[in-house]
Amino acid sequence: DIQMTQSPSSLSASVGDRVTIICRASQSISTYLEWYQQKPGKAPKLLIYAASFLQSGVPSRFSGSGSGTDFTLTISSLRPEDFATYYCQQTYRASWTFGQGTKIEMK
Amino acid sequence: EVQLVESGGGLVQRGGSLRLSCAASGFIFSSFDMNWVRQTPGKGLEWLSYISSTSSIIYYADSVKGRFTISRDNAKNSLSLQMNSLRAEDTAVYFCTRDLIGYDGDAFDLWGQGTMVTVSS
Repeated sequence: DIQMTQSPSSLSASVGDRVTIICRASQSISTYLEWYQQKPGKAPKLLIYAASFLQSGVPSRFSGSGSGTDFTLTISSLRPEDFATYYCQQTYRASWTFGQGTKIEMK
Repeated sequence: EVQLVESGGGLVQRGGSLRLSCAASGFIFSSFDMNWVRQTPGKGLEWLSYISSTSSIIYYADSVKGRFTISRDNAKNSLSLQMNSLRAEDTAVYFCTRDLIGYDGDAFDLWGQGTMVTVSS
């Protein structure tokens, strides 16, 4: 299986901060990389697909980049509703795998 | 309203069986590929199984291959997961998900609310 590693596992940030989360694949996955946001007690929500395409209805402060093995999710200016856990997922080859998650906490 | 609603979770003994269902509404179910994903505090999110819109292609994660069976009934807008030989490590919240259409990857653009499965030892 392709292993997905996110960093950091958690971070503390303030409203208005620029936040970047890194996701690294154990082998090249082209741009078959998806990002999700999950809040406590809720299902994950798709933010970004194909590494850089914003899912419909997702605010433009979210952006994704990368290809091959290294990817980033950036929140340009953190809002209160963005405190959550973020997961990357590779869908290059079944079995699709998720990163372990990055929790954004309030500083 | 576009939604997925899972049911069938509960408490089951180790070695037992359980059948999860996912009712789809608000969209043309027969046009979409579907999946099951589970989540545990320890292992995070784990994709389990995929079924294409016509049931012609099915994949399983190694962790459930031979024990779980995915199926769908497009006439009833329903997705199922038959889980046999359950183990303690199958304890998790189980989600059904819909594949984003028009993308040759497999992003999950719609998730159910999840159903809890607890396997007692």
